[in-house]
Amino acid sequence: DAGVIQSPRHEVTEMGQEVTLRCKPISGHDYLFWYRQTMMRGLELLIYFNNNVPIDDSGMPEDRFSAKMPNASFSTLKIQPSEPRDSAVYFCASSSGGLGEVGDTEAFFGQGTRLTVV
Amino acid sequence: AQSVTQLGSHVSVSEGALVLLRCNYSSSVPPYLFWYVQYPNQGLQLLLKYTSAATLVKGINGFEAEFKKSETSFHLTKPSAHMSDAAEYFCAVKGTYKYIFGTGTRLKVLA
Repeated sequence: DAGVIQSPRHEVTEMGQEVTLRCKPISGHDYLFWYRQTMMRGLELLIYFNNNVPIDDSGMPEDRFSAKMPNASFSTLKIQPSEPRDSAVYFCASSSGGLGEVGDTEAFFGQGTRLTVV
Repeated sequence: AQSVTQLGSHVSVSEGALVLLRCNYSSSVPPYLFWYVQYPNQGLQLLLKYTSAATLVKGINGFEAEFKKSETSFHLTKPSAHMSDAAEYFCAVKGTYKYIFGTGTRLKVLA
């Protein structure tokens, strides 16, 4: 498997524009996570899906952010309208459920999308 | 709720010296714990994981970590640092199928 694939790797956009980040998880993984990484706040979990259904979106910063997973092999994170403070690296990760109360498996990360909003 | 605390946002060691990166966890259930490494402009890569089997866990690149329940710790060590170990290291705990990360420790290796 090629691993978790994110696109684009880099995105520069103007404030107010819509931005869409894309992710293809590892085949067979039933959990998908979107994280945001900044110097100030570190790695923040934005939202995660199980079997294409959003389970916890409490980390989504505001209504300008939305995420979808229309099928098991594709997810998007959209920001509309974008603002300079959204500049960050956005990671997608996937995992299988695993065993035990919370699952004993690790998450596999994509290379990230570096978003710059000017 | 689960959480992890990484002590020291920056650690510097000389090449060949012992590497010790600290992580303490908080968990209401037996924890699953992970160490990840991030090289510049890369995603996170799993170093090792603890899932309630052996308390001493060996990972890739010569790293290992010991789970100590009495100290609620999961520190990462490597006997001899190499220049290629310079990176950022993240400790994580798994809770209700999601991963909670620490703030990271940036390791610098001095020649």
